[in-house]
Amino acid sequence: EVQLVESGGVLVQPGGSLRLSCAASGFTFSDHYMDWVRQAPGKGLEWVARTRNKANSYTTEYAASVKGRFTISRDGSKNSLYLQMNSLKTEDTAIYYCVRVHRDCYFDYWGQGTLVTVSS
Amino acid sequence: DIQMTQSPSSLSASVGDRVTITCRASQDISNSLAWFQQRPGRAPKSLIYAASNLQSGVPSKFSGSGSGTDFTLTISSLQPEDFATYYCQQYKSYPLTFGGGTKVEIK
Repeated sequence: EVQLVESGGVLVQPGGSLRLSCAASGFTFSDHYMDWVRQAPGKGLEWVARTRNKANSYTTEYAASVKGRFTISRDGSKNSLYLQMNSLKTEDTAIYYCVRVHRDCYFDYWGQGTLVTVSS
Repeated sequence: DIQMTQSPSSLSASVGDRVTITCRASQDISNSLAWFQQRPGRAPKSLIYAASNLQSGVPSKFSGSGSGTDFTLTISSLQPEDFATYYCQQYKSYPLTFGGGTKVEIK
């Protein structure tokens, strides 16, 4: 059974940093692209970042709103996905979801999400 | 960026009703279109990929159609568990983008 469990969401001040984690299980982690998607309170879904699979050298893509501030990475030895978030802004307040990407490039499994609140 | 426009933004329907939601892309995305369901307080759930293919375990009352720029999601007979917000998403090109959502409420 595929499981994705996010952690690390907390209250942080504007300008601060935070690292989110996603523990993956039930599948061969290195075979899959993995994404982060966020949802601000009462708002819709926004794609944040992607890391490709081992076959594609774990290359990355970012939304313009986070490029240069956020870094997506993964640790195959721990089957874990990360999102390093720097220079946080109030508009980064959201639930952050870890998402597995099927080999045909569509989303198939979602984690339960972790809440990040950026406020003074 | 490819803009995804859903309509309506909300609708009221009764149990047993047939419901159709539309999604329009600002440029041709072929069939690179997915649909998601999000119940209140829950994570999104993947329903449909490649415009018309059901994810594993999704009941056949859900169906999707379309290609190019115009797509639809149909729920054939609404049940209480179907009252939720539905999102479309294109995965043809970066940045991946979502529609604004359609909230399906009980009449």
